[in-house]
Amino acid sequence: AQSVTQPDIHITVSEGASLELRCNYSYGATPYLFWYVQSPGQGLQLLLKYFSGDTLVQGIKGFEAEFKRSQSSFNLRKPSVHWSDAAEYFCAVGAQNYGQNFVFGPGTRLSVLP
Amino acid sequence: NAGVTQTPKFRVLKTGQSMTLLCAQDMNHEYMYWYRQDPGMGLRLIHYSVGEGTTAKGEVPDGYNVSRLKKQNFLLGLESAAPSQTSVYFCASSTYPTDTQYFGPGTRLTVL
Repeated sequence: AQSVTQPDIHITVSEGASLELRCNYSYGATPYLFWYVQSPGQGLQLLLKYFSGDTLVQGIKGFEAEFKRSQSSFNLRKPSVHWSDAAEYFCAVGAQNYGQNFVFGPGTRLSVLP
Repeated sequence: NAGVTQTPKFRVLKTGQSMTLLCAQDMNHEYMYWYRQDPGMGLRLIHYSVGEGTTAKGEVPDGYNVSRLKKQNFLLGLESAAPSQTSVYFCASSTYPTDTQYFGPGTRLTVL
């Protein structure tokens, strides 16, 4: 079965600084990879997804992620963080096997200092 | 186009009471899911449905039942609520199982 780890439980960055959130997955075949964002008291919103093709994926709100098969990683990046980016970020893996198709990581909480 | 909606938004139950959470989607999606979210544990799949009239167990199904009588609705029931079921519940839907899931705003349930 697939699994997802997000090594950082909580990250704090200053507004305007760059950001990288880490995601590692375990899956035998080519995975479908997603990043979601959850603002306080809200549901999850898709930031970006990777299915195939170009390994650098652009998403909404200025985010991007890079799929590295050799490292089993799909790290999320943003060159300049805004205060409104403070939220919880979830990496997820979609798999082809029927049943437990989607597995979410535990999440990384991002705090932004003014 | 409302997307995925959930009712109610908040609910407080006493141990042993029952309740039903309603999820509705207007995107004509075949697949629907119920998750629970607990601090530090991400989202865990409770039950899911691959189409009208079908349901299946996810990772943490015990204590919950579901029904999908209409394609657009997915109901989550708690027959006898326990304090361990205090959580935030999210419904989601997708076109097919590995595609983007669209989430509702959540239901915060407290069981006393």
